[in-house]
Amino acid sequence: DAGVTQSPTHLIKTRGQQVTLRCSPKSGHDTVSWYQQALGQGPQFIFQYYEEEERQRGNFPDRFSGHQFPNYSSELNVNALLLGDSALYLCASSRRWGRGSNQPQHFGDGTRLSIL
Amino acid sequence: GQQVMQIPQYQHVQEGEDFTTYCNSSTTLSNIQWYKQRPGGHPVFLIQLVKSGEVKKQKRLTFQFGEAKKNSSLHITATQTTDVGTYFCAGSGGATNKLIFGTGTLLAVQP
Repeated sequence: DAGVTQSPTHLIKTRGQQVTLRCSPKSGHDTVSWYQQALGQGPQFIFQYYEEEERQRGNFPDRFSGHQFPNYSSELNVNALLLGDSALYLCASSRRWGRGSNQPQHFGDGTRLSIL
Repeated sequence: GQQVMQIPQYQHVQEGEDFTTYCNSSTTLSNIQWYKQRPGGHPVFLIQLVKSGEVKKQKRLTFQFGEAKKNSSLHITATQTTDVGTYFCAGSGGATNKLIFGTGTLLAVQP
């Protein structure tokens, strides 16, 4: 039973470029959330996808966008990269999204994004 | 917006000593989760607390949720070197169930 898988593991980009990160959720999970974790900080919630729609969003600019596919996998896109976007990007999956309740988040190993 | 703070930021203990980390939210939470992140790893879910005043135990770990559902604590009895890592609380509340992670407590255990 595969857990959450993310690709690529590492990525180096330059300012102004665009990047796409990918995530496959744990088997049986239908909700995907993305987090940004800067060095020495806690994960910061970017957004959450369920039934191919963005359901919730954290305090991130429109440069951050996402998508969820019918097979529940997801992509995170970041446009016009800034130096401050350098971080570990974590994908987490869980079972059905529900108002007023949070399911345990199962995290992938993350993508380490470095902006030069 | 909602903020979740943890203290201390860092704790260094001798193996066998106890450890406690405290989590405080600026708003009332509907539930709180705890995660452990080993150095170089990803957060791993430990437990979820939902009820006011709830206490749960997992072997040497004891988790509490405050009566006002604005704070929580994690206590580790007789630490071991395998306990090394950063412990995060994460809470959600209000009209949304965005999961807001705390600032984390890094635990170092000296053998």
